[in-house]
Amino acid sequence: GEDVEQSLFLSVREGDSSVINCTYTDSSSTYLYWYKQEPGAGLQLLTYIFSNMDMKQDQRLTVLLNKKDKHLSLRIADTQTGDSAIYFCAEDRKRGSYIPTFGRGTSLIVHP
Amino acid sequence: DAGVIQSPRHEVTEMGQEVTLRCKPISGHNSLFWYRQTMMRGLELLIYFNNNVPIDDSGMPEDRFSAKMPNASFSTLKIQPSEPRDSAVYFCASSFSGELFFGEGSRLTVL
Repeated sequence: GEDVEQSLFLSVREGDSSVINCTYTDSSSTYLYWYKQEPGAGLQLLTYIFSNMDMKQDQRLTVLLNKKDKHLSLRIADTQTGDSAIYFCAEDRKRGSYIPTFGRGTSLIVHP
Repeated sequence: DAGVIQSPRHEVTEMGQEVTLRCKPISGHNSLFWYRQTMMRGLELLIYFNNNVPIDDSGMPEDRFSAKMPNASFSTLKIQPSEPRDSAVYFCASSFSGELFFGEGSRLTVL
């Protein structure tokens, strides 16, 4: 996970927006991913963005990609307690491989 | 489909013992991955198979670790002999040209 960096913790109030940030190193990655891990469970793909896109929106989720700065962010609007989980940023291990190299994950804590 | 199935969910063993973790991928998926998750190192890819053939095992820590995929519906990750630093959650994932689907993990504790 040393090629992908993200902060370890984020605490937000229910109803607020959450923004989880990530930096990556491989500018040739075809896809960048966000996975979600709930307690005691495996990872699930939350969303992904193709490298030629700047933004992708999916209901409450907005992904922003800044290729110049190699910065990826995930915004969750109207954060709910059910959003509490670990969120992993990931880049392609090799270009076009669809095999993610993960960051260490950001623990999102949502409090009332 | 039941998803990726891993067993055991929890294992506690003593240093020096052999540990075997098992995985049943989703039917029809042609790639299988073994990851290890620890607080210190995060999520590391140990090995992956494509069509039952090991493609890249560069993430396997050392010779004590071995993985096999005898057929499309079964894989094992073996640690022999186990050491306390092997304590981690081991995830198996499968895919068919895209999204990875993860099992619930096997939590290994080596005393």
